[in-house]
Amino acid sequence: KNEVEQSPQNLTAQEGEFITINCSYSVGISALHWLQQHPGGGIVSLFMLSSGKKKHGRLIATINIQEKHSSLHITASHPRDSAVYICAVLDGGSQGNLIFGKGTKLSVKP
Amino acid sequence: GAVVSQHPSRVICKSGTSVKIECRSLDFQATTMFWYRQFPKQSLMLMATSNEGSKATYEQGVEKDKFLINHASLTLSTLTVTSAHPEDSSFYICSVPDWYNEQFFGPGTRLTVL
Repeated sequence: KNEVEQSPQNLTAQEGEFITINCSYSVGISALHWLQQHPGGGIVSLFMLSSGKKKHGRLIATINIQEKHSSLHITASHPRDSAVYICAVLDGGSQGNLIFGKGTKLSVKP
Repeated sequence: GAVVSQHPSRVICKSGTSVKIECRSLDFQATTMFWYRQFPKQSLMLMATSNEGSKATYEQGVEKDKFLINHASLTLSTLTVTSAHPEDSSFYICSVPDWYNEQFFGPGTRLTVL
């Protein structure tokens, strides 16, 4: 079974800082999700990627399939970016469910 | 992507009662839906895969007679927690995969069993 590791577990940043969250997994995958979970629990899918790089606004996600590693970057961070960011990989052995990392709790201070 | 709703968003019940949680795919016909559970400060874990028109597939350690799943239409899956106990208190969330397996999540249901 795929093991998904995220780092750091907790991250505090000042508004405007560049933020990087890392994710590594143990078994080759077809796709990886970056998710955002707010304090109320709701989850939003930020990216799904299988190769290269994707950008949406201030968010950038990259993946290196050979190294089994992905990063999520936030440029010009803002307090409203404060949330838990979760890396999840598609479980190739099943009907397509996700295996989740433990999440990175980000707090951006004004 | 799919728009997914869940109801109720929050429920408090007494031990021994049953609770039904609905997951609706509002704009996408979902032959498959996933039910996940998240305990405080832990990651989400798959409970079961809901399949339209057939039996759900449960993960190891999840009791199928306790967590009843019904996926009677392409837009609705229900999870019923039967004879709920305090240890079932958790955050339950469903997701719908689209044609590319990108997952779209419902807003979740926070269950508290007293």
